[in-house]
Amino acid sequence: EIVLTQSPGTLSLSAGDRATLSCRASQSVSSSYLAWYQQKPGQAPRLLIYDASNRATGIPDRFSGSGSGTDFTLTISRLEPEDFAVYYCQQYDSLPRTFGQGTKVEIK
Amino acid sequence: QAQLVQSGSELKKPGASVKVSCKASGYTFTSYFMNWVRQAPGQGPEWMGCINTKTGNPTYAQGFTGRFVFSLDTSVSTAYLQISSLKAEDTAVYYCARYYYYMDVWGKGTTVTVSS
Repeated sequence: EIVLTQSPGTLSLSAGDRATLSCRASQSVSSSYLAWYQQKPGQAPRLLIYDASNRATGIPDRFSGSGSGTDFTLTISRLEPEDFAVYYCQQYDSLPRTFGQGTKVEIK
Repeated sequence: QAQLVQSGSELKKPGASVKVSCKASGYTFTSYFMNWVRQAPGQGPEWMGCINTKTGNPTYAQGFTGRFVFSLDTSVSTAYLQISSLKAEDTAVYYCARYYYYMDVWGKGTTVTVSS
């Protein structure tokens, strides 16, 4: 099973700041089969990024994904108030599908 | 647009069973696998497995075999998750989510609470 480790656990930032979230895999994720989700309290996760760097439909271009192999990054270029949430990475290179433990982006 | 509508919250006693439904609309149901994802209180999502909506063949993650059953009724574009012999540790929000790889459309979740 591929274990995904996200860092940091919590990111305390202000609106307008740049956020950089990391997701490290225990083994190489082939073909960059990695996705990022945003989850707000009481809501389902929402797909942001798939195939490591492709934005899902309707996702603003301040969200970008990069990386390959075992190291992946989600960047939010300028935080908007609605971006404060928990972010999860997920691999779909192999079964079982696995998620990271999440990074909480909170208001500083 | 594609939408998944899940059944309402459930409160069950230990040892009981529950069946959660997930009704799809806005797309061809049998064109996409359906995943089931559990999220325990304060925890991250956990993939339980998926079901091939064309063949009905389920795949279960380790830890979700035996008491967990995925099923379909393609005539009403609905997927089901049944959990038997409920335990307190099954208390969680259960989501259905479309697609085999990443999960692009999610239901709002069904809260299952197991308490005596």
